[in-house]
Amino acid sequence: AQKVTQAQTEISVVEKEDVTLDCVYETRDTTYYLFWYKQPPSGELVFLIRRNSFDEQNEISGRYSWNFQKSTSSFNFTITASQVVDSAVYFCALSWPPGNTGKLIFGQGTTLQVKP
Amino acid sequence: DTEVTQTPKHLVMGMTNKKSLKCEQHMGHRAMYWYKQKAKKPPELMFVYSYEKLSINESVPSRFSPECPNSSLLNLHLHALQPEDSALYLCASSPRTVNTEAFFGQGTRLTVV
Repeated sequence: AQKVTQAQTEISVVEKEDVTLDCVYETRDTTYYLFWYKQPPSGELVFLIRRNSFDEQNEISGRYSWNFQKSTSSFNFTITASQVVDSAVYFCALSWPPGNTGKLIFGQGTTLQVKP
Repeated sequence: DTEVTQTPKHLVMGMTNKKSLKCEQHMGHRAMYWYKQKAKKPPELMFVYSYEKLSINESVPSRFSPECPNSSLLNLHLHALQPEDSALYLCASSPRTVNTEAFFGQGTRLTVV
């Protein structure tokens, strides 16, 4: 069965600290797609990254970086030098069937609070 | 333009009312989605439209009726809802239904009284 686990329910940091959000997934498929979305208080889900199972390269986008490790079935997300605007709920997700865009198996989300 | 626009932002309706939620995108996307999100929970897929045809219905009760009048518009018609249907309803679109990512609107916060 497919499953995504975000064990951290809430994280609170002070501005400029680095923070890592954990994501562990389960799937029997050899081809699969993982996503991270950000949901600020305004409600919309903001797409951050999509990664397929064949690409294990870590990715960096500004202050954001992602560490994909198939050996541990993890797809962790790090924010460097956090800012108040990073405060949001972050969801990790796995698409099912593999490649399917709309049917996302979400983790329960991690609420990040960045204090000034 | 990477926006998905949803109206209204907030809606309060009685259990006997009929109302509609509207979603619009002008990105040329051919797939559109409705999700339901309860407080402190992840979103749950309700419907998928692909090329204006309903392709997935996640066993949603018939009091929710989707409609896709054209490739840019997606509606969700509501009738005889229950208080437990109160939630954030999110619309999303994507270029196609596979191997891409979805873009979400800000949602409609629905309260059923």
